Amino acid sequence: GENVEQHPSTLSVQEGDSAVIKCTYSDSASNYFPWYKQELGKGPQLIIDIRSNVGEKKDQRIAVTLNKTAKHFSLHITETQPEDSAVYFCAASGGYTGGGNKLTFGTGTQLKVEL
Amino acid sequence: DTEVTQTPKHLVMGMTNKKSLKCEQHMGHRAMYWYKQKAKKPPELMFVYSYEKLSINESVPSRFSPECPNSSLLNLHLHALQPEDSALYLCASSQASGNTGELFFGEGSRLTVL
Repeated sequence: GENVEQHPSTLSVQEGDSAVIKCTYSDSASNYFPWYKQELGKGPQLIIDIRSNVGEKKDQRIAVTLNKTAKHFSLHITETQPEDSAVYFCAASGGYTGGGNKLTFGTGTQLKVEL
Repeated sequence: DTEVTQTPKHLVMGMTNKKSLKCEQHMGHRAMYWYKQKAKKPPELMFVYSYEKLSINESVPSRFSPECPNSSLLNLHLHALQPEDSALYLCASSQASGNTGELFFGEGSRLTVL
C-alpha cells in the first residue's frame, strides 16, 4: 500500500515569511496529491491539490510542486499570516481502483505563524 | 451546498452502550467515508462506500458497524466500544467517478468512551 512521509512535524515562521512543507510517497501508481488544512476542532479542508500530469500549481499565496520521478511534492505558502496557523496534511491516492478515493495521509505539520 | 453534516458533535458513552454517528451530504456525491482521528495524528481510513456499497473496510473491529441507507446518508453504529476508541470520527464524501476526486470532510463527531 501507499506510505506518505511528511516533514517537518512542526514549523514556526514570522508573519510575512514563507513556509515550505515536504512530502514523499511510495506508490508509483499514485497520481493525486491534495493538501488539507485542519484548524483546531474542525475537519480537514482542502486548500490545493495537484495531479500527476502537472508539475506545479498556484493559488494566490499557496503553491504546490510535484516531482514524480523523485516521488515527492511540496507545499509553499508565501507571505504567511497568523490565520495560516493550523495543522497541514499532505495526502496521496490513485493506486486503488475499487470505488472511492483511498487517500493516504502524511503525519501532519503544525504550522505556527508568529507576529 | 458544499457541506457534510455530522451529528452529534460530541458523544460520551459507556462500554456497554449502543450509539450511532450520523453523516449527511446533499452534493450528489456517491462515495462516502468514515475516518478516525486521534489527537495529533492524521485521519485513518475506516470504511468507504461507493454507490451505497461497501468498497473498503480497513480491518476495522466489528464493534464498529457502518451503514449507508441511501446516497446522502452514512451511519456508524457503535457497540461495546473500548476507551481506546475515543477519538474524532470524521465523515467525508466525494464524487464516485474516478479514484482521485476531492474529499469534503465534515467537522467530526468527538467520541469519548468511559
